[in-house]
Amino acid sequence: DAGVTQSPTHLIKTRGQQVTLRCSPKSGHDTVSWYQQALGQGPQFIFQYYEEEERQRGNFPDRFSGHQFPNYSSELNVNALLLGDSALYLCASSLGQGVDETQYFGPGTRLLVL
Amino acid sequence: RKEVEQDPGPFNVPEGATVAFNCTYSNSASQSFFWYRQDCRKEPKLLMSVYSSGNEDGRFTAQLNRASQYISLLIRDSKLSDSATYLCVVKDPGGYQKVTFGIGTKLQVIP
Repeated sequence: DAGVTQSPTHLIKTRGQQVTLRCSPKSGHDTVSWYQQALGQGPQFIFQYYEEEERQRGNFPDRFSGHQFPNYSSELNVNALLLGDSALYLCASSLGQGVDETQYFGPGTRLLVL
Repeated sequence: RKEVEQDPGPFNVPEGATVAFNCTYSNSASQSFFWYRQDCRKEPKLLMSVYSSGNEDGRFTAQLNRASQYISLLIRDSKLSDSATYLCVVKDPGGYQKVTFGIGTKLQVIP
């Protein structure tokens, strides 16, 4: 049973550039949530996708956008990168409905903005 | 007040010790609570869910105190392998699955 996968594992960009991160959910899961984790902080909720729609959004600017595909995989796009966007970006998958609310995390993408 | 508050530590304890972490949450309507463990430079992994009646899994015990709006995690007989950051997670009330993480409490078990 494949767990949550993310690509790439590491990425280096310069200010002003754009980046796309990818996530494949755990088999059988239909909901994908994205988090940003800065050094020494807990993960911060960016947004959640369910049935190809953004279902909820945290306090992140419009530079952060996403997409979910029919196979439930998801992308996170960040435009006009800032130095402060340097962080570990985590994707978590879960079942959109049902008793089990557990979110399972992928290994993350480490983004460095120079 | 932060939605979820934890003491970041670090907590340095000897092997075999018992250690407890608390976490407070601000939204009294929150219904679901979890403890996740995060090893250095790795993703968070679910340690245990926290139920109203408490939850025990081997050396780990989680408790919920709704009146005071806090959850706790107790680790008995600490092992070196317990060294990690423990993240308190609170699910927002409502039908969606947005969760809020605390900053995490760092535990270092010393030989």
